Amino acid sequence: AQSVTQLGSHVSVSEGALVLLRCNYSSSVPPYLFWYVQYPNQGLQLLLKYTTGATLVKGINGFEAEFKKSETSFHLTKPSAHMSDAAEYFCAVSGAYNKLIFGAGTRLAVHP
Amino acid sequence: NAGVMQNPRHLVRRRGQEARLRCSPMKGHSHVYWYRQLPEEGLKFMVYLQKENIIDESGMPKERFSAEFPKEGPSILRIQQVVRGDSAAYFCASSPQVLSGANVLTFGAGSRLTVL
Repeated sequence: AQSVTQLGSHVSVSEGALVLLRCNYSSSVPPYLFWYVQYPNQGLQLLLKYTTGATLVKGINGFEAEFKKSETSFHLTKPSAHMSDAAEYFCAVSGAYNKLIFGAGTRLAVHP
Repeated sequence: NAGVMQNPRHLVRRRGQEARLRCSPMKGHSHVYWYRQLPEEGLKFMVYLQKENIIDESGMPKERFSAEFPKEGPSILRIQQVVRGDSAAYFCASSPQVLSGANVLTFGAGSRLTVL
């Protein structure tokens, strides 16, 4: 069975600093991995996804993630945080019937 | 091209009442997923439906919860005899035909249920 663990329920960074949100997965088959962002009182928006091929995946809003099979990780990064990046971020792995299994989420705070 | 439409966005019910949440998938999408997000928690899968069929309901509570996706009209998540613990945000997502796990789910804005 697939599962996702997000390390750190809350992350706080300064504006302009590196953003690193951690995600580790467990999967018995080659995984499809996703990062979604949720702004307050809104639905989830896809940031990026990994299916096959290149292990460094670029997404929207300057985010990227690297699939590391040896570490079973799919960490999300952004070189320079912006105030508008403050939101909750969810890592997910695709399971049976294409349903997503989500991590518990990481709330990102960006301070001036 | 409208996205996934959910209504109502906010619903208040008293204990013991029924709650009905509706989801219209994106145009061209025939697969619907329901998720529940409890306060300060991640999203938990509830049920996956195709038109007129429940495919996977492994995440649905055994009692009081039901879902349908009729041939015509939106998908409905129904909660009977609501209790305070049902207070949560309920999200619907849709996808086109499932060919592989790489299909992206498109989420609606959610329905927030408050049980008094």
